[in-house]
Amino acid sequence: DVKVTQSSRYLVKRTGEKVFLECVQDMDHENMFWYRQDPGLGLRLIYFSYDVKMKEKGDIPEGYSVSREKKERFSLILESASTNQTSMYLCASSLPYEQYFGPGTRLTVT
Amino acid sequence: AQSVTQLDSHVSVSEGTPVLLRCNYSSSYSPSLFWYVQHPNKGLQLLLKYTSAATLVKGINGFEAEFKKSETSFHLTKPSAHMSDAAEYFCVGAFSGGYNKLIFGAGTRLAVHP
Repeated sequence: DVKVTQSSRYLVKRTGEKVFLECVQDMDHENMFWYRQDPGLGLRLIYFSYDVKMKEKGDIPEGYSVSREKKERFSLILESASTNQTSMYLCASSLPYEQYFGPGTRLTVT
Repeated sequence: AQSVTQLDSHVSVSEGTPVLLRCNYSSSYSPSLFWYVQHPNKGLQLLLKYTSAATLVKGINGFEAEFKKSETSFHLTKPSAHMSDAAEYFCVGAFSGGYNKLIFGAGTRLAVHP
């Protein structure tokens, strides 16, 4: 079975802190994704990566950056966390026509 | 522009009765369509997918969905609800052959009553 793991299930940070969310997949997938999930808005794509060191902006990249130094690991970075970044963050890795999701990180910024 | 619309934000059924979760899409291109389920505090799990083969797609846990191009719909059904089906369900589209860019519906929360 494909496994996508995220480093934290729950995280509380202060406004202005730098935040790292880590995601690791064990199936050698080329593509990895970061989404945020908010009630009533579904999932929105922040960034995705189709290869090591390659990245593309999704629909809502503002305030975020990403890093992919190794194929299995895709990190989401909040350079200076703000309260409007309080959300559930989901990582995914994919085969064609199918994405596998991690359990999510619920981030609260106070 | 492509879009996916889930017509109901909440659906409530009794255990043992049929489930219908409605989804419409809008696109000039042939879509690939998916249904995912999310149980509380869990990630999303793929229920089923349509990728231009058979229009009636069977998934896990007794769910199925029918792609109707004339109605631009991809509704999810199950003949008999179980308590364990209570979760949030997302209809998702991939358009223009760009499966990298999935478009999510806003979700439908399914409640199942005894």
